[in-house]
Amino acid sequence: ETGVTQSPTHLIKTRGQQVTLRCSSQSGHNTVSWYQQALGQGPQFIFQYYREEENGRGNFPPRFSGLQFPNYSSELNVNALELDDSALYLCASSSRDYSYEQYFGPGTRLTVT
Amino acid sequence: QQQVKQSPQSLIVQKGGISIINCAYENTAFDYFPWYQQFPGKGPALLIAIRPDVSEKKEGRFTISFNKSAKQFSLHIMDSQPGDSATYFCAASKQGGSEKLVFGKGTKLTVNP
Repeated sequence: ETGVTQSPTHLIKTRGQQVTLRCSSQSGHNTVSWYQQALGQGPQFIFQYYREEENGRGNFPPRFSGLQFPNYSSELNVNALELDDSALYLCASSSRDYSYEQYFGPGTRLTVT
Repeated sequence: QQQVKQSPQSLIVQKGGISIINCAYENTAFDYFPWYQQFPGKGPALLIAIRPDVSEKKEGRFTISFNKSAKQFSLHIMDSQPGDSATYFCAASKQGGSEKLVFGKGTKLTVNP
C-alpha cells in the first residue's frame, strides 16, 4: 500500500505567477483534501474533492482552484500569487466508503518572492 | 473565530514523564476528534482519534480523554521519550470526519533526555 505523495517538494515563484501542485492519494482512497499551513500555524482547509467533484471549500479566494482525476489524484492551482501564499501546502487522502481518517502527504513548500 | 483552542503553545517534559495537551471546541456538531504529530519539514501524521460515544481511547503510550459536556479533549503521552519531540495538533470534524478538519494552533513538545 503506497502512502500519499506530493510534488514538487519545494517551489520558488514570483508574485503574480501561477503554480500547480500535485498529489497522489493513498491506494483505495477516493477523497482528497488540500490544506495550507503557514509557518508556526495549524493547517487551514482549502477545499476537498470527492469522486472528481468539489465537496466543500474553505475561506480561500477563487484564485485557488483544484481538480481531481479519475484515478483520484489531484491538483491545486493558485493564480496571481501573493507573498502571503508562501506556506506548506498539504494534501490529505481519505475514503468515504469505509473510514474518514485523513492521511497527509509530506507537503509542498511554496515560497513567493 | 477560532473553533478549536489548543494549549499550551509549548511544553517541556523530562524523559519518562507525562505530557498533557488540551483542546476545547465550540461547535457541538463536531463528532470526530483526531490528534496529529508533525516533525519539522514533514506532513502531519495521524496518531489517534476519538468519537463522542466514548470518554477515553488508548493506543500504546497515547491516550485521548474526551469530555463532551465541557467540550474538551486532551492527549496524554505516557513515558514521554526524546523521539516524541514534535508539534502536536488537535483537530475536529463533522459528519464522522468526512468533512474538513479544523485544527488547533499546535503544541511544540520537547522531551529532554
